[in-house]
Amino acid sequence: DVKVTQSSRYLVKRTGEKVFLECVQDMDHENMFWYRQDPGLGLRLIYFSYDVKMKEKGDIPEGYSVSREKKERFSLILESASTNQTSMYLCASIPVGTGASYEQYFGPGTRLTVT
Amino acid sequence: QQQVKQSPQSLIVQKGGISIINCAYENTAFDYFPWYQQFPGKGPALLIAIRPDVSEKKEGRFTISFNKSAKQFSLHIMDSQPGDSATYFCAASIVPTSGSRLTFGEGTQLTVNP
Repeated sequence: DVKVTQSSRYLVKRTGEKVFLECVQDMDHENMFWYRQDPGLGLRLIYFSYDVKMKEKGDIPEGYSVSREKKERFSLILESASTNQTSMYLCASIPVGTGASYEQYFGPGTRLTVT
Repeated sequence: QQQVKQSPQSLIVQKGGISIINCAYENTAFDYFPWYQQFPGKGPALLIAIRPDVSEKKEGRFTISFNKSAKQFSLHIMDSQPGDSATYFCAASIVPTSGSRLTFGEGTQLTVNP
């Protein structure tokens, strides 16, 4: 079974703090994604990575950065957390290549509250 | 800009009824249309998906209907069960050039009453 794990289920941080959200997948998937989920807005893509040290902006990258130093690990960084970044953050991964399905595998999510 | 619009936002059906969730997209380059199911406290999981070369795909009680000319697709859940109560997301993608990044709809919270 594919497993995508996220470092924390719940996180409470103060405005201005630097926040790290970690995601690890155990299936050697090439592509990894960070989304935020808000009621009525669905899942919105923040950043994705298609290889180690490679990243591309998604639809809402402002206020976020990412790091992918190893294939299995993709980190989301909030340089200076703000209250409007209070949300559920979801990590996903997907294999690529001939015969690969297009299914994204999601972690359980991290609910971040910024006070 | 929401490229995939989903409705309704919430849906309540009785056990045994049919649940129908609709989505509309704008980008005609989309060629992969999955539905994801999310239970509370869990990440979304792929439920069923369709490519535009077919108009319907059925897996058990779940059916996707696809209308390419109208740029619409829908999820039908037959004989809905309380265990189907979850949030459902439609999505769209351009494969394989986009790295399989998905554009999601807003989500529908389905409640099936016993």
